[in-house]
Amino acid sequence: AQKITQTQPGMFVQEKEAVTLDCTYDTSDPSYGLFWYKQPSSGEMIFLIYQGSYDQQNATEGRYSLNFQKARKSANLVISASQLGDSAMYFCAMRHNAGNNRKLIWGLGTSLAVNP
Amino acid sequence: NAGVTQTPKFRILKIGQSMTLQCTQDMNHNYMYWYRQDPGMGLKLIYYSVGAGITDKGEVPNGYNVSRSTTEDFPLRLELAAPSQTSVYFCASSQSGGMSEKLFFGSGTQLSVL
Repeated sequence: AQKITQTQPGMFVQEKEAVTLDCTYDTSDPSYGLFWYKQPSSGEMIFLIYQGSYDQQNATEGRYSLNFQKARKSANLVISASQLGDSAMYFCAMRHNAGNNRKLIWGLGTSLAVNP
Repeated sequence: NAGVTQTPKFRILKIGQSMTLQCTQDMNHNYMYWYRQDPGMGLKLIYYSVGAGITDKGEVPNGYNVSRSTTEDFPLRLELAAPSQTSVYFCASSQSGGMSEKLFFGSGTQLSVL
């Protein structure tokens, strides 16, 4: 069964340091997409980055990069030079091609606190 | 741009009451979704729509109804509210259902059923 696992309920990082948020996934479908969303205290979910299963390069978007290790089925989010505004919940999600590909499967999230 | 707008932001219902959560988007997106987020949990899909007049069930549709009469609006109806429907509800939209298509979310509705 398709599943997303985020094993870190909470993380702390010092401002200006880098932090890695873990995400592992399980799917038997060779075609899938992986997403990271940020949910600040205001509540709105904000798209950060996307990685396709066939993408040869790791995705990057500004200070966000995705460490995609296909064989290990992991898609870790790396935030470089952390800022106070990065304090939020972070969700990993997967969309797969089998069946209803409009359904995103979500992890439970990781709470990140950036300390000044 | 307003993006995806949800109303109300907060609501308290008594058991058995009904209400409609409103959602509208101004991006001319074809796809719209309703999710619920329970404490400490990921999002669960309630209903979705691929265009005006077309809706389909998600993972947790029981106790809810939707309609999509226009591209912009996708209201969620709760009939006979139950405590199990206490949750935060998010409306989202996307241009298509493609693999890489990102979702745009509203700011959520916090609903308590007492």
